[in-house]
Amino acid sequence: EAGVTQFPSHSVIEKGQTVTLRCDPISGHDNLYWYRRVMGKEIKFLLHFVKESKQDESGMPNNRFLAERTGGTYSTLKVQPAELEDSGVYFCASSPWTGGWNTGELFFGEGSRLTVL
Amino acid sequence: SQKIEQNSEALNIQEGKTATLTCNYTNYSPAYLQWYRQDPGRGPVFLLLIRENEKEKRKERLKVTFDTTLKQSLFHITASQPADSATYLCALTSSGGSYIPTFGRGTSLIVHP
Repeated sequence: EAGVTQFPSHSVIEKGQTVTLRCDPISGHDNLYWYRRVMGKEIKFLLHFVKESKQDESGMPNNRFLAERTGGTYSTLKVQPAELEDSGVYFCASSPWTGGWNTGELFFGEGSRLTVL
Repeated sequence: SQKIEQNSEALNIQEGKTATLTCNYTNYSPAYLQWYRQDPGRGPVFLLLIRENEKEKRKERLKVTFDTTLKQSLFHITASQPADSATYLCALTSSGGSYIPTFGRGTSLIVHP
């Protein structure tokens, strides 16, 4: 069974440009999470989808970040316009819906490294 | 404010010894705590989950303890091997709220042959 896949693995863009990161969760996983790790810091939560609905987006830094999950399958995270402080590794994770709240492990992708110059 | 603290200094041990990693937390009412392993350039991989009403969990060479009075979890790897070298992350999920796991910074473990 395929794991969580993320694309691109690395993106280098200029400040002010736009980047779109994609995440394909494990098939059948209704929960999808975006996290980010900035150099030297902990992995920080950005947002959580249940199917196509945003359940919690309290971690999104500002309105330059837009996440979507059309049809409850893959998700995209767009950064527009990108700033220097957006550099980091963006992780996507998924987990099955357990009927109330997440009671188990998250399955992570390998991450998308974003470098903003 | 809520904090999850893991030792930022790398833990260096000799092969065959037991590695013990610490996760301390403040201002959390945890529902459960998880430990993940992360290798350079890779995503975190789940290892163990322990619930608030559990004291200890084991899986092969791994053992996790959870002391909600001390607000601490210990993660042990017995008979450590160089292949165990990685960064180990603890993640807390609070009771109430959105049940989103919050991660510590992780501790790097280096097992020397």
